[in-house]
Formats: sequence, structure tokens, C-alpha cells
Amino acid sequence: DVVMTQTPVSLSVSLGGQVSISCRSSQSLVHNNGNTYLSWYLQKPGQSPQLLIYKVSNRFSGISDRFSGSGSGTDFTLKISRVEPDDLGVYYCGQGTQYPWTFGGGTKLELK
Amino acid sequence: QVQLQQSGAELAKPGSSVKISCKASGYTFTSYYISWIKQTTGQGLEYIGYINTGSGGTNYNEKFKGKATLTVDKSSSTAFMQLSSLTPDDSAVYYCARYNSGYAYWGQGTLVTVSS
Repeated sequence: DVVMTQTPVSLSVSLGGQVSISCRSSQSLVHNNGNTYLSWYLQKPGQSPQLLIYKVSNRFSGISDRFSGSGSGTDFTLKISRVEPDDLGVYYCGQGTQYPWTFGGGTKLELK
Repeated sequence: QVQLQQSGAELAKPGSSVKISCKASGYTFTSYYISWIKQTTGQGLEYIGYINTGSGGTNYNEKFKGKATLTVDKSSSTAFMQLSSLTPDDSAVYYCARYNSGYAYWGQGTLVTVSS
């Protein structure tokens, strides 16, 4: 199985600040069709995860441009700028390139 | 709007089975696969498998073969997951989700508690 490793496990940020979350995969996430199926999710307390970014850098409908995704191969990053209170929660990366699809362990974003 | 409405919490005894439902609305049901995902505090998010809602074809994570059975009822736009031979390790929140390059839509989750 593809192992997804997220760092850091937790992160403290001031409102209005910027943070980066890293996600590394144990194998390349480039699919045979040329696409890279790496997604980012935010799970707020008591809620289901919500999709933020798909295929590395594409923002899902309605997602603020304060969220941006980048990377390639096995190394990916989610950046959040001008952090707002509604951004707090646990962030997960996930891959849909190789079965079984797998997720990272999560990064908890908290207020400093 | 797209919605996935899951059935309510289940309390089950070890060795028994439960069947969770996921009713879709707001889109053409057979146009997208439905995946099932397990969430526990210790193991995080785990992919169980998906069902092709048009053909009924399935893909299972090896870890969940024999544990989970995915089915679909196209007439009611509902996907189902049956969990069998339950043990305390099966206690978790289970989500259905619609996949299209990412899990764009999720159900609200169904808590399954296995206890004698």
C-alpha cells in the first residue's frame, strides 16, 4: 500500500498568518494516465471531511484562493494564507492513484 | 444540491452484522462511484472500497475483504455497506463519499459501536 506521511502532526498559527503542511508518499502518485490523484481535505470538529484541493493543485468549488496546493511525484504541500478561525481543524492528504486508496495521518491546525 | 444521507448510529453485539445505507440525491446516481471510508481515532481514515453504482462492480481494500460487502439499489439511489462478524475493532465512524478525482461529497457518517 502507498504510505502517506504528513508533517507536522500539529501546527499552531496566529489568525492572519500563513502555514504549510507537507505530505509525502512512499511511491510516485503519477497515474498511468498522466494525472496525479493527490487531494487535500479539512475535517472540522464534529463534521465530515470536506474536499479542498484535488489533483494536486485544483481548488474544489467554493474553496477560497487562500488555499493552494503544489508538488509532484511523491512530495506535496498545502499552503494556507491569511488563516481565519474557520480554517481550524484536521487536514488530511489522500491519494487515489494506486489501490487501495490511502490517507495521511492528519495535521491538526490550532490557534496560537 | 448533492447530498448523501446515511442511516443512523448502530449498537451491535460481537459476531453480529450491521447494514448501513447511504441515500444519494441532487445528481444522477449512476454517474459516480460511491466509496466507503472508516474513521477511528487510532487508524485515521481508511478506504474500505467502492461500488460502481451503474454496474454494481466493486473494488475492495484487501484488509476489508470478507468484512464489508457493498451493494446498491438503483431504484432508490441508495448504496449499502454490510459489515459482518463484528468485533470491537469494527467500532468506528463509517462514511460514504462520492469520488471524482477526490472525495467531493461525504455523508454525515454512521457511528457503529460493537459491544456486548
